[in-house]
Amino acid sequence: KNQVEQSPQSLIILEGKNCTLQCNYTVSPFSNLRWYKQDTGRGPVSLTIMTFSENTKSNGRYTATLDADTKQSSLHITASQLSDSASYICVVSLYNNNDMRFGAGTRLTVKP
Amino acid sequence: DSGVTQTPKHLITATGQRVTLRCSPRSGDLSVYWYQQSLDQGLQFLIQYYNGEERAKGNILERFSAQQFPDLHSELNLSSLELGDSALYFCASSVGRGGTGELFFGEGSRLTVL
Repeated sequence: KNQVEQSPQSLIILEGKNCTLQCNYTVSPFSNLRWYKQDTGRGPVSLTIMTFSENTKSNGRYTATLDADTKQSSLHITASQLSDSASYICVVSLYNNNDMRFGAGTRLTVKP
Repeated sequence: DSGVTQTPKHLITATGQRVTLRCSPRSGDLSVYWYQQSLDQGLQFLIQYYNGEERAKGNILERFSAQQFPDLHSELNLSSLELGDSALYFCASSVGRGGTGELFFGEGSRLTVL
């Protein structure tokens, strides 16, 4: 069973609209959580990284939130652009051995 | 550009063959990670090296092996290839030995086994 679950699996939105992607994890003990953007056929690129004590972090139109108590994170994309079409991957690191657990990703399609 | 270089970008080979994928980490990064991504699948962790030594192992098949050389570049060897080994293979690097630092990915090597 994957310890990092992402939802939805895929999402289609219109250009200019906002959207929110979810990441729930059961990984423990928790060290940090990252969001990556992966364009089709390309390597993932880091968007945000949050530690236990942080509950929000922004990177331009991307804002990630973290609730370490409920083990949930979200990635909010504002005013979407066609170039936002990609897979968004949630990665959680364990505290004791720094192993990383990858979610399966959410595939976002932004249409004109 | 992440600074992580992977070669070759594309590789087509036949079942039963052996291939070697190469990764040069970012300057100063000591850790190298290998991941496999099959079509429409998530990233699967294969193996990590830190400063020349194996540090963590994921779901890596016995037919696969890797090493990190003194100059810190790494190679992933895939042998007795099967159709199911067709995938994108990503290398990533980080400064430290663990998962607390930033992870930088290469552009991947696309392996097609016919």
